[in-house]
Amino acid sequence: DTAVSQTPKYLVTQMGNDKSIKCEQNLGHDTMYWYKQDSKKFLKIMFSYNNKELIINETVPNRFSPKSPDKAHLNLHINSLELGDSAVYFCASRRQRGEQFFGPGTRLTVL
Amino acid sequence: SQQGEEDPQALSIQEGENATMNCSYKTSINNLQWYRQNSGRGLVHLILIRSNEREKHSGRLRVTLDTSKKSSSLLITASRAADTASYFCATDTTAGNNRKLIWGLGTSLAVNP
Repeated sequence: DTAVSQTPKYLVTQMGNDKSIKCEQNLGHDTMYWYKQDSKKFLKIMFSYNNKELIINETVPNRFSPKSPDKAHLNLHINSLELGDSAVYFCASRRQRGEQFFGPGTRLTVL
Repeated sequence: SQQGEEDPQALSIQEGENATMNCSYKTSINNLQWYRQNSGRGLVHLILIRSNEREKHSGRLRVTLDTSKKSSSLLITASRAADTASYFCATDTTAGNNRKLIWGLGTSLAVNP
């Protein structure tokens, strides 16, 4: 069974469009994250939710809006996509003080 | 912000050799974790070492932690071609009430058959 899943795996879109990435975890973890990994493999935390509550927002443009309908889901909506948004986006979940479990990633390409 | 710094940035070795990667950090930590990322995949947790531990083993992996020097090392013994991946260290810190991992920039390991 997949622990952390993301959809879609690949996303190719035009500048200015709005897109969403979905994430689900079946591990029962309370905390979920969104990360952005650029072409140099730099992993940058974007958001963290704990029990549907936003606890970390790392100076991400407000074009990015996370939504957590329940603690097993954390979706990422991006408005007005820009070229610089092209990256791989990873969702992760974590139990308290333990390791993080990552999804397979969503490769976003903005043309 | 990133506080972990791995070195070397890239490492190329022959199968059977040992690979050592180092990680330095700046602030006090609860624990330090190492992850592997195969090309095109998500990160996979390898090992966690708590701040009161000095060494930990898992199979061919050996991790050390020196809190006085704020550094950790990951040793992979008898490397295999399948160990080719990027390796990241991450420190567990508590900034206010927010728990998050602070990530290093990674070491890219190539194991040549």
